Amino acid sequence: AQRVTQPEKLLSVFKGAPVELKCNYSYSGSPELFWYVQYSRQRLQLLLRHISRESIKGFTADLNKGETSFHLKKPFAQEEDSAMYYCALAGAGSYQLTFGKGTKLSVIP
Amino acid sequence: GAGVSQSPSNKVTEKGKDVELRCDPISGHTALYWYRQSLGQGLEFLIYFQGNSAPDKSGLPSDRFSAERTGGSVSTLTIQRTQQEDSAVYLCATEGRAGLYGYTFGSGTRLTVV
Repeated sequence: AQRVTQPEKLLSVFKGAPVELKCNYSYSGSPELFWYVQYSRQRLQLLLRHISRESIKGFTADLNKGETSFHLKKPFAQEEDSAMYYCALAGAGSYQLTFGKGTKLSVIP
Repeated sequence: GAGVSQSPSNKVTEKGKDVELRCDPISGHTALYWYRQSLGQGLEFLIYFQGNSAPDKSGLPSDRFSAERTGGSVSTLTIQRTQQEDSAVYLCATEGRAGLYGYTFGSGTRLTVV
């Protein structure tokens, strides 16, 4: 069985401070990992995927297979980063995503 | 349309009634997914369509839940004899082809069973 754990329901940081949203997963094979984001009054949307090794809106995430983690990081938080963030996993041969319960990020001005 | 459209946006129904939730995907998107999100929970997979067929319906919680897709386009999720535990936001997502995981989500249907 596959599982995604986001240990923090709520994370508050000051503007300009570094942000790290934690994500741990449980999966026996090689997963694909994703971060989705939902801004206030907007739809859930893909933020980034580990396979692309990209930086989107200043956010990066590195897949650490040893620690089974895929933490989302940004060096300097902005107020517009306030949103709900979901970590998700796709197992081999499966088209469905397994989502974590989400972390609400609040950036304090 | 320009995005994934779901209707109704809100639905309040009495326990025991049947409900139908509709999803209009982006034109040409062959893969369609239904998820639901209960209060305080993550998104829970329900069913996946490729065209009109459903290769994976493993997430449907009981036989009260069913879904169909016609013409490779519109999908309907039906819940029969609704129960209070069915109260949730039901989300539809589509993508050009399965396996890209770049879902385009609809705005959801908030179902409340009273």
